[in-house]
Amino acid sequence: GENVEQHPSTLSVQEGDSAVIKCTYSDSASNYFPWYKQELGKRPQLIIDIRSNVGEKKDQRIAVTLNKTAKHFSLHITETQPEDSAVYFCAATLFSGGYNKLIFGAGTRLAVHP
Amino acid sequence: KAGVTQTPRYLIKTRGQQVTLSCSPISGHRSVSWYQQTPGQGLQFLFEYFSETQRNKGNFPGRFSGRQFSNSRSEMNVSTLELGDSALYLCASRRDSETQYFGPGTRLLVL
Repeated sequence: GENVEQHPSTLSVQEGDSAVIKCTYSDSASNYFPWYKQELGKRPQLIIDIRSNVGEKKDQRIAVTLNKTAKHFSLHITETQPEDSAVYFCAATLFSGGYNKLIFGAGTRLAVHP
Repeated sequence: KAGVTQTPRYLIKTRGQQVTLSCSPISGHRSVSWYQQTPGQGLQFLFEYFSETQRNKGNFPGRFSGRQFSNSRSEMNVSTLELGDSALYLCASRRDSETQYFGPGTRLLVL
């Protein structure tokens, strides 16, 4: 089916702590997994992505891990700062009708408290 | 390079009316996808257009339709509006890779 489950729906952390958001997907053929950050009133912005031939990718304070066997991937944010507060969406490609389309998770609202 | 643009940014309609939203992709991007964003449902895929052809469709009723022009600009139309159609409508464009770039969205309120 067309499904990406994302947990938790809300996450509250203290500044400096780490935050982890987890997603599972249903299509074993999915091969691209982006993460988007959406600040209040703004458009979703790509922050990091990973392809199925890679298990982990890091960019400064953010990292993404992928477990293809278990069909789940996670976003890790270390040393969180108040400006990390936003809604984060994971997504996975779904091959349908001859082409890939992106299916998004329901989002995680992250609040970083000073 | 200019980003994805959408017009109008805000729209108020009444039930039963129809609405047309516009999206201009990043120059050189031939694929445009449309999404509906609501607080409870996240980002729901509506459809994707590539070179003026719809090549993917989500699970929305036939009241939702779209098209793409030869310059890659895309429009989506919603006919016979319902209260539940109130949402933020986002379009996203991409070139050849899967990386999508979103526009600012059109916020539609149906009264």
